[in-house]
Amino acid sequence: ETGVTQTPRHLVMGMTNKKSLKCEQHLGHNAMYWYKQSAKKPLELMFVYSLEERVENNSVPSRFSPECPNSSHLFLHLHTLQPEDSALYLCASSQGGGGSNQETQYFGPGTRLLVL
Amino acid sequence: EDQVTQSPEALRLQEGESSSLNCSYTVSGLRGLFWYRQDPGKGPEFLFTLYSAGEEKEKERLKATLTKKESFLHITAPKPEDSATYLCAVSGGETSGSRLTFGEGTQLTVNP
Repeated sequence: ETGVTQTPRHLVMGMTNKKSLKCEQHLGHNAMYWYKQSAKKPLELMFVYSLEERVENNSVPSRFSPECPNSSHLFLHLHTLQPEDSALYLCASSQGGGGSNQETQYFGPGTRLLVL
Repeated sequence: EDQVTQSPEALRLQEGESSSLNCSYTVSGLRGLFWYRQDPGKGPEFLFTLYSAGEEKEKERLKATLTKKESFLHITAPKPEDSATYLCAVSGGETSGSRLTFGEGTQLTVNP
C-alpha cells in the first residue's frame, strides 16, 4: 500500500448530487495532484497544488472544485456531474521543490466514480 | 507540446518469454522519465525514474533504459504476476512544477 490514501473507493451519484472525494498523503510531500483516468485515454491532469503553484487545467469543467487545506490533504468537490464524468479519479503527491529528483509522483488507489 | 507514445498498445507473452515495451517521447529539456505499473482498478505503482540518456535501472525482472528519444522497459522471463498495464510519463519542456505527461500505456498479459 502506498502512502497516499483516497476515500471513498467507489462512488455512485446522480447528476443532481453533491459529493466530495478525499485524498491524504503520509509521505511528507509538498505537492498534490488530481487526475482523471478514462478508458483508453492517458491520465488527464486536473489540478496541481504545491508550495510553488496552484494550477488549474482550464479544460476542467467548473462542476469540479478542488480544495487543499494543507499539504497533506486534498479534496475534490463534485456537483451536477454528467455521465461522461464517470471515471477513475486518482490523487498523487510528490516531494515538490522543483528539483528533477523531486518530481516522482506517488499515487493513491483511486476513486471509481459512476454518474447516473 | 510534450508528447508520449507507448507501443505496443497490448502485448501477450508466454511465461518466460522475454520482451520489451517502448516509450517514445517529445519534450524540450527532459527532466525525468517515469515508469509505472497499474493493475486493474488500482492506482499506478511507481517503478523507475530515469534522468539522462544512457541511464539504466533494474528491479527484479524489469530493466528500464533511456535514450534521447525513447525508453525501453525490458521484461526478462516474465511471470503471470507481471501482467498489468505499464505507463510511461515525462516531465520537462516549458511546463513548470512537477507536472507529468503520460502515455496511454501498454497492457501486458503473461500466460502461464
